[in-house]
Amino acid sequence: KNQVEQSPQSLIILEGKNCTLQCNYTVSPFSNLRWYKQDTGRGPVSLTIMTFSENTKSNGRYTATLDADTKQSSLHITASQLSDSASYICVVASMDSNYQLIWGAGTKLIIKP
Amino acid sequence: DAGITQSPRHKVTETGTPVTLRCHQTENHRYMYWYRQDPGHGLRLIHYSYGVKDTDKGEVSDGYSVSRSKTEDFLLTLESATSSQTSVYFCAIGTGGTETQYFGPGTRLLVL
Repeated sequence: KNQVEQSPQSLIILEGKNCTLQCNYTVSPFSNLRWYKQDTGRGPVSLTIMTFSENTKSNGRYTATLDADTKQSSLHITASQLSDSASYICVVASMDSNYQLIWGAGTKLIIKP
Repeated sequence: DAGITQSPRHKVTETGTPVTLRCHQTENHRYMYWYRQDPGHGLRLIHYSYGVKDTDKGEVSDGYSVSRSKTEDFLLTLESATSSQTSVYFCAIGTGGTETQYFGPGTRLLVL
């Protein structure tokens, strides 16, 4: 069964600190992996999309990594800011079913001043 | 929100009544999607459209229907609302395939 698991479910860190969020997936055949940021009460916004051949992709202070062999991804946030408080969702696209997206439940990140 | 609006933004209705949610885009994207988001779950696809009058079911389509008569509008109808359909509904647009999807602001629906 295609699944995306994220850890931790929630995380609290102090402003200015770094953090890493994890994503494990069992999606086959794999097409690409996406990270979205969702602020409370708003729709998700895309941070990165990585294909099979990409190991690392950055978007400002956000860096995503992908290990397609172990089917794991991580999202590293550097020098966190209060505006980084949000849910971060890992999404894996399957080549089946018109690029069906399998969504993780998200990690809720809270940045404290 | 990438030229996507949803209406209404909030709705309270009673069990058994029909409800229609509207998604409107100004980006001329071919693909449009309806998702629902519930606590503890990832977003789940209800229906999607790949062109005018071309729609297909997602993983949780029971109790929902959709219509797309114009490129810019995608309607989601709950034929007879049930309490299990209380959720936040998101519309998304995209060009399909490996490209990203852009999401609307969401509609909060409460079925009493």
